[in-house]
Amino acid sequence: GAGVSQTPSNKVTEKGKYVELRCDPISGHTALYWYRQSLGQGPEFLIYFQGTGAADDSGLPNDRFFAVRPEGSVSTLKIQRTERGDSAVYLCASSPTGAHNYGYTFGSGTRLTVV
Amino acid sequence: DQQVKQNSPSLSVQEGRISILNCDYTNSMFDYFLWYKKYPAEGPTFLISISSIKDKNEDGRFTVFLNKSAKHLSLHIVPSQPGDSAVYFCAASAESNYQLIWGAGTKLIIKP
Repeated sequence: GAGVSQTPSNKVTEKGKYVELRCDPISGHTALYWYRQSLGQGPEFLIYFQGTGAADDSGLPNDRFFAVRPEGSVSTLKIQRTERGDSAVYLCASSPTGAHNYGYTFGSGTRLTVV
Repeated sequence: DQQVKQNSPSLSVQEGRISILNCDYTNSMFDYFLWYKKYPAEGPTFLISISSIKDKNEDGRFTVFLNKSAKHLSLHIVPSQPGDSAVYFCAASAESNYQLIWGAGTKLIIKP
């Protein structure tokens, strides 16, 4: 596609439920990133994929968070047993190689609200 | 511990004048700096970047200045236009680390 697509754009879920957030990167981009942004703050790194493998998952806050990219294109961020503190905008970005000399291209994000 | 700080939550500038957005960092290992612009309900959009081997990079109306000794960078927008009204984020990374560390953003308002 022309840009990075994230679905759904909004997700409201009850505390304790499981959610999946999807990211379709720009075609051909090998690098994919997940960030989350809480109100009034800058994005916070979660995980970086190079191809199918997670090259850096040091930003995942705990073992309730998991992400996959099985075929090296679409990625899914999975959150188990959601908590109210997980409420944030989850941003996905992609880049051709991983080097960010020219910046990433971000999607519009998924706004997750845990009630 | 905030490694990248944008101390001005908001800035209001007259259309046609210069907008100067500031950013400070604490980690001396940072060697690449980027500015992003964000409109409401959209993802951040890359604006301009600078490597630590340079002290200035220019792209049209946008210029980024880097002062390594002061661990400070700034983004200059000249002349400011109404479409520049947005939240501007400063981000930094260290060599061989693809994570970007972001500031909290500065909301720029361009007054007609």
